[in-house]
Amino acid sequence: DIQMTQSPSSLSASVGDRVTITCRASQSIYTYLNWYQQKPGKAPNLLIYAASSLQTGVPPRFSGSGSETDFTLTISSLQPEDFATYYCQQSFRTPVFGPGTKVDIK
Amino acid sequence: QIQLQQSGPGLVKPSQTLSLTCAISGDSVSSNSAAWNWIRQSPSRGLEWLGRTYYRSKWYDDYAVAVKSRITINPDTSKNQFSLQLSSVTPEDTAVYYCAKSVTVAGPFHLWGQGTLVTVSS
Repeated sequence: DIQMTQSPSSLSASVGDRVTITCRASQSIYTYLNWYQQKPGKAPNLLIYAASSLQTGVPPRFSGSGSETDFTLTISSLQPEDFATYYCQQSFRTPVFGPGTKVDIK
Repeated sequence: QIQLQQSGPGLVKPSQTLSLTCAISGDSVSSNSAAWNWIRQSPSRGLEWLGRTYYRSKWYDDYAVAVKSRITINPDTSKNQFSLQLSSVTPEDTAVYYCAKSVTVAGPFHLWGQGTLVTVSS
């Protein structure tokens, strides 16, 4: 299986901050990379697909970039509702999720 | 509006079979483009894709290597739903189980069920 790593595993930030989360694949996955947001007790919610395409209904402060093995999720100005855990997931081969990045309040 | 509604027991005894169902509304399990997945989440294993079923003139399924010997995912066209069966469960199988739809086989999981906490305990 392709392995996925994320960094950092957690971060503390303030409302209005720019936040960047990195995801790395163990081999090239081209742009078969998706990002999800999960809040406690809820199912994950798709934010970004195909590395940089914004899912319908997701605010434009979320953006994704990258290709091959290195990818980034950016939140341009963190809002109170963005405090959550974020996961990347590759869909090039058998689906595999990253371990997650928890974003909490500084 | 497409929705996925999960059902099934929240407690299963060790060595028995875990069975969950995901009922689909607003779409068809026989869709020629979508795939219907099961994913689980536990503190120790994180989010783990288990398998999928999909229809492309005939039925196909794919399973994760880690559970391949124990898992079956079946579509039920008469009830427009699909099911998960995981046999010979151990406490390691304790997790929140989700069903999810992907628009294409290799697509992202853009629609999820509500999740079911399944505990394996005697």
